[in-house]
Amino acid sequence: AQSVTQPDIHITVSEGASLELRCNYSYGATPYLFWYVQSPGQGLQLLLKYFSGDTLVQGIKGFEAEFKRSQSSFNLRKPSVHWSDAAEYFCAVGARRYSSASKIIFGSGTRLSIRP
Amino acid sequence: DTAVSQTPKYLVTQMGNDKSIKCEQNLGHDTMYWYKQDSKKFLKIMFSYNNKELIINETVPNRFSPKSPDKAHLNLHINSLELGDSAVYFCASSQDAETTAGNTIYFGEGSWLTVV
Repeated sequence: AQSVTQPDIHITVSEGASLELRCNYSYGATPYLFWYVQSPGQGLQLLLKYFSGDTLVQGIKGFEAEFKRSQSSFNLRKPSVHWSDAAEYFCAVGARRYSSASKIIFGSGTRLSIRP
Repeated sequence: DTAVSQTPKYLVTQMGNDKSIKCEQNLGHDTMYWYKQDSKKFLKIMFSYNNKELIINETVPNRFSPKSPDKAHLNLHINSLELGDSAVYFCASSQDAETTAGNTIYFGEGSWLTVV
């Protein structure tokens, strides 16, 4: 079974600073990887996803993530954060479980706070 | 128009009561889900339906019963509510059941259930 680890529970960065959120996964085959963002009181919104091809994927709101198979990682980055980026960020891995169903496992989330 | 909408957004009820949360998606997707997010933000899948057929049923108490009258609707009924059922319940949908390229999960805004 697949699993996802987000080692950082809470990160605080200054506005304008760069950001990297860590995500490590465990899965026996090529994973499908996602990053979602959850603003307070809201549902989850997809930032970006990796299925195949270029290991550096671009997402919305200036985010990018790099799939590194050798490190089993899919870290999320942004060169310059804005106060509106304060939210909870979830990494997720998708796997084929049944012949006609899939299952996506979410990490425990990283809460991002922005220092003015 | 909201792609995945769920009602009510907030629900406070007493232990032992029965309650329902309704969900509708207007994306034309074939697959719908219910996720539970606990107080520590951990997000876990409960059920998945594909074209009104149950395809994922995680270890969930049988007090929880999903009902899909058509592929655009997936309601969650909870009997004999317990304190531990307090959580945020997210409805979601995706194009199909398999984790293929482009198969993004779209989330509703959540239903905050508090059992007192």
